Amino acid sequence: QVQLVESGGSVVQPGRSLRLSCAASGFTFSRDAMHWVRQAPGRGLEWVAIISYDGSNKYYADSVKGRFTISRDDSKKTVYLQMNSLRGEDTALYYCARDGGNSGFLAHWGQGTLVTVSS
Amino acid sequence: DIQMTQSPSPLSASVGDRVTITCRASQSIPGWLAWYQQKPGKAPKLLIYKASSLESGVPSRFSGSGSGTEFTLTISGLQPDDFASYYCQQYNSYPYTFGQGTKLEIK
Repeated sequence: QVQLVESGGSVVQPGRSLRLSCAASGFTFSRDAMHWVRQAPGRGLEWVAIISYDGSNKYYADSVKGRFTISRDDSKKTVYLQMNSLRGEDTALYYCARDGGNSGFLAHWGQGTLVTVSS
Repeated sequence: DIQMTQSPSPLSASVGDRVTITCRASQSIPGWLAWYQQKPGKAPKLLIYKASSLESGVPSRFSGSGSGTEFTLTISGLQPDDFASYYCQQYNSYPYTFGQGTKLEIK
């Protein structure tokens, strides 16, 4: 069965960097686009980024463009989110998700990793 | 960016009721819309994609409809397990965007 396990979340000071990882199993990772979505405490879902199945295309939410970078390592079946210049408003639970047939909807989700940006 | 607006929020209903949640897009997204269910402390779960296609394993009491800018999620015969939050998401163009969510509460 499909499994997505996020890691790397922690408490970090404003302006610092953090890298999240998402390890995938149970499907052919190299064939599917992957997403990151976040949810601030008590708030709704915010789409963050997508990377295409072959890594050639990446798109971002306006709120993170220029600060966050999504990447993938198919040999490790892992997708990453490099987060730089972190701000308080980046505090959230970060989910990775598998795209549904490279269409754009999010077919499978991990359980999330918590990032807290605070001094 | 495409704005997604859900209504109502919150929504109060009873077991057995038929409820409808509406999602409006700020511009046409043909049928590129998905619906998700999220329970407290859990990850979201895909219910519907391409506006009306039911995800495998999702009960048939869930249905989606609409095109263009107006979409609906209908739950026919509410079950206790259905009380949760629901989100729409457009995937017509980047950046993808979610609605603000609809919390379905027990009346």
